[in-house]
Amino acid sequence: QSALTQPRSVSGSPGQSVTISCTGTSSDVGGLNYVSWYQQHPGKAPKVMIYDVSKRPSGVPDRFSGSKSGNTASLTISGLQAEDEGDYYCCSYAGSYTSVFGGGTKLTVL
Amino acid sequence: EVQLLESGGGLVQPGGSLRLSCAASGLTISSYAMTWVRQAPGKGLEWVSAVSNSGGSTNYAESVKGRFSISRDNSKNTLYLQMNNLRAEDTATYYCAPYDSGWYFGYWGQGTLVTVSS
Repeated sequence: QSALTQPRSVSGSPGQSVTISCTGTSSDVGGLNYVSWYQQHPGKAPKVMIYDVSKRPSGVPDRFSGSKSGNTASLTISGLQAEDEGDYYCCSYAGSYTSVFGGGTKLTVL
Repeated sequence: EVQLLESGGGLVQPGGSLRLSCAASGLTISSYAMTWVRQAPGKGLEWVSAVSNSGGSTNYAESVKGRFSISRDNSKNTLYLQMNNLRAEDTATYYCAPYDSGWYFGYWGQGTLVTVSS
């Protein structure tokens, strides 16, 4: 499986919106609606922010939203806050109990 | 409260073996397919292996196929990863995580660090 493609970094000022893209293939992102997004702060375990392309787990602010078009999924964070700074990873289920992650995107809040 | 406690990591020479364990509490692993995900120092997340609820089906990343073996003991609520013929590129923090109903990882442990070096 090849890793999903994410931008290495994005940035935005507090209050602004940023979008992180995640491009896969028809065998993963494009073919299944099982895209999830994870936030990771230094030294911490990842935390799920979005699952099933656009669903938010309980406790995740509604500033976080997900979508998908074709083979590309996107995570949008609106109303950026300082605590949103960190690494973000997309992940897609690819069938037969396998998953594939993106390379990760470093979000900097300016 | 769900807790996943990984253990068994450490320093091992290239070509050596280690067995990782993941003990779960607050969650009955027999209800979940279980996975291992790793993260090399300063690098991204990599899915490594998964096993079905019963243990009857397994799958592996190409990078570890033939060297790693995943298993589970539902009676002990514990997941395992046997790692053989370890290479420097296997150096990483290894996390266990159950597949939630939407094939995502809702719970994570704190991970166990495996260092492969001579």
